[in-house]
Amino acid sequence: GAVVSQHPSRVICKSGTSVKIECRSLDFQATTMFWYRQFPKQSLMLMATSNEGSKATYEQGVEKDKFLINHASLTLSTLTVTSAHPEDSSFYICSASTGIGEKLFFGSGTQLSVL
Amino acid sequence: QKEVEQDPGPLSVPEGAIVSLNCTYSNSAFQYFMWYRQYSRKGPELLMYTYSSGNKEDGRFTAQVDKSSKYISLFIRDSQPSDSATYLCAMSGGSNYKLTFGKGTLLTVNP
Repeated sequence: GAVVSQHPSRVICKSGTSVKIECRSLDFQATTMFWYRQFPKQSLMLMATSNEGSKATYEQGVEKDKFLINHASLTLSTLTVTSAHPEDSSFYICSASTGIGEKLFFGSGTQLSVL
Repeated sequence: QKEVEQDPGPLSVPEGAIVSLNCTYSNSAFQYFMWYRQYSRKGPELLMYTYSSGNKEDGRFTAQVDKSSKYISLFIRDSQPSDSATYLCAMSGGSNYKLTFGKGTLLTVNP
């Protein structure tokens, strides 16, 4: 299957700082990337859909000014958690697809801990 | 009624058992059906991908889709301890890429 690389795998930061998470499709061009959040023992919650060259579409209840998404190329999307607070601590996962109905491949996830 | 229902388990079986995992759904627009395996604190790994109704087999894994009953299944034959993970069903349809996930079933295969 296709490879999606996500970095960092784990980050610990102080409250009030910003954290950037990168998601790269290594062997295919991803027209669309998705960002999910997952709490312990729960399923994935879609945060936003990112399309190359256009603004991200955020799910209801997700603050777009807090979770900044940039999809500057067909192989790279970034999620920046701005002014992080302890309640933002979670497991963040990106995924990438080549098109509608195509397979969706996931990154390895980023565990964010905000102190 | 949630769009996708999946029994969260946990499900515990002995090594070598046949495992059956299931999901039901309510949205008749779903056309693409997937099963993912997720180990703790890792991203989901795509196991099976099926379009519309029918069966698909890959090694020890068999996926079944019954669109008339809005029911999908994943069977694991000769289960191994390394199969211990959370299994997520996911589906999509219509004009968008979005996947709707089940809550996941936690499976433990005991040696």
